[in-house]
Amino acid sequence: SQQGEEDPQALSIQEGENATMNCSYKTSINNLQWYRQNSGRGLVHLILIRSNEREKHSGRLRVTLDTSKKSSSLLITASRAADTASYFCARPNYGGSQGNLIFGKGTKLSVKP
Amino acid sequence: NAGVTQTPKFQVLKTGQSMTLQCAQDMNHEYMSWYRQDPGMGLRLIHYSVGAGITDQGEVPNGYNVSRSTTEDFPLRLLSAAPSQTSVYFCASHKTSLSYNEQFFGPGTRLTVL
Repeated sequence: SQQGEEDPQALSIQEGENATMNCSYKTSINNLQWYRQNSGRGLVHLILIRSNEREKHSGRLRVTLDTSKKSSSLLITASRAADTASYFCARPNYGGSQGNLIFGKGTKLSVKP
Repeated sequence: NAGVTQTPKFQVLKTGQSMTLQCAQDMNHEYMSWYRQDPGMGLRLIHYSVGAGITDQGEVPNGYNVSRSTTEDFPLRLLSAAPSQTSVYFCASHKTSLSYNEQFFGPGTRLTVL
């Protein structure tokens, strides 16, 4: 499989705590994206980080990318119950699927009020 | 803008039946894709299209057929449903072939094949 791997598979925290999810991949990339999926819904794009960026912020989200280790992390600070969802990293598919992405298996985050 | 819409939301089929999952987008995106999502497997690409009249296979195309007669619509056909096709199906669209673009997903169709 070409899929990346998220770690952990599941994460349960209390509201207000920070949540960190990791993503590893095997091939060189020029960007990596993170998506959120609420239960029973489609995926929603959160953030994209390019290979020449080490860190990127969007509101309470912080994404890092370490191209030498082929890994990325997504940090959600001061989590809320509404952050409960599955989070997926996605990397470009250079095998010919024109702009399509290869998704990891996801981290299921549960934020308890 | 409605974005990406999918119908139906839920469907139950018997083995051997055929059906079409509908997908439409109103963002004038050239690129559209179908994924299936199975527990513990993430999303896997079934078929994709780079414009009207042009389609190609993804990672798991067997048992599925697609066509793209307009920019807006990209239906997915199950020719003879099998229990292994029980899954949640997502349609997505994006603007260009560049890997930097964001994909927009529909709400999904949950399919059960008995």
